[in-house]
Amino acid sequence: GESVGLHLPTLSVQEGDNSIINCAYSNSASDYFIWYKQESGKGPQFIIDIRSNMDKRQGQRVTVLLNKTVKHLSLQIAATQPGDSAVYFCAEISGGYQKVTFGTGTKLQVIP
Amino acid sequence: DTAVSQTPKYLVTQMGNDKSIKCEQNLGHDTMYWYKQDSKKFLKIMFSYNNKELIINETVPNRFSPKSPDKAHLNLHINSLELGDSAVYFCASRRDRGSEKLFFGSGTQLSVL
Repeated sequence: GESVGLHLPTLSVQEGDNSIINCAYSNSASDYFIWYKQESGKGPQFIIDIRSNMDKRQGQRVTVLLNKTVKHLSLQIAATQPGDSAVYFCAEISGGYQKVTFGTGTKLQVIP
Repeated sequence: DTAVSQTPKYLVTQMGNDKSIKCEQNLGHDTMYWYKQDSKKFLKIMFSYNNKELIINETVPNRFSPKSPDKAHLNLHINSLELGDSAVYFCASRRDRGSEKLFFGSGTQLSVL
């Protein structure tokens, strides 16, 4: 089957630095991509999304970049804070938005 | 008010038992999902229901049976529990049109002894 997000399982960054979390996807037909944040003991929460016809989208302190040529997605977090510590998942959506496939996740640890 | 609520939050049971996990969403969403998250945090879709109809059924043992009495509820019944069923199970919902964003419950941690 197809898989999403086989990159770094853990990323440690100093508080105040920028974080970059990467994700690779394999389904070139995916229409839409979402980044989710999962804090300990909670379910994943939506952070930011991007459609396949875009290559960049910015939110508050977060930016998602999409490179369809190499099937790569990244999440950039500016001025990382302790509250950003969590597991981050990329997800790709296909099949008329019915099927959501999650990547393996990256644990972000923020060092105070 | 909790948008997607699951019960119970923790479930500890013996091998061979039958158990159920309940999920309710008060968002008025049309589509609901069950995901399984293993110890390595990998999230795998199990089932999806749209307006009480099953639309996605991944390769899941038939010991797992979802039931959707109405579009606000999606329950998961598991027969003859096995050690490998130990995981965190997440319910999620999504509005049918114009939004691909999933709203997740807080999960049910199932431990099979």
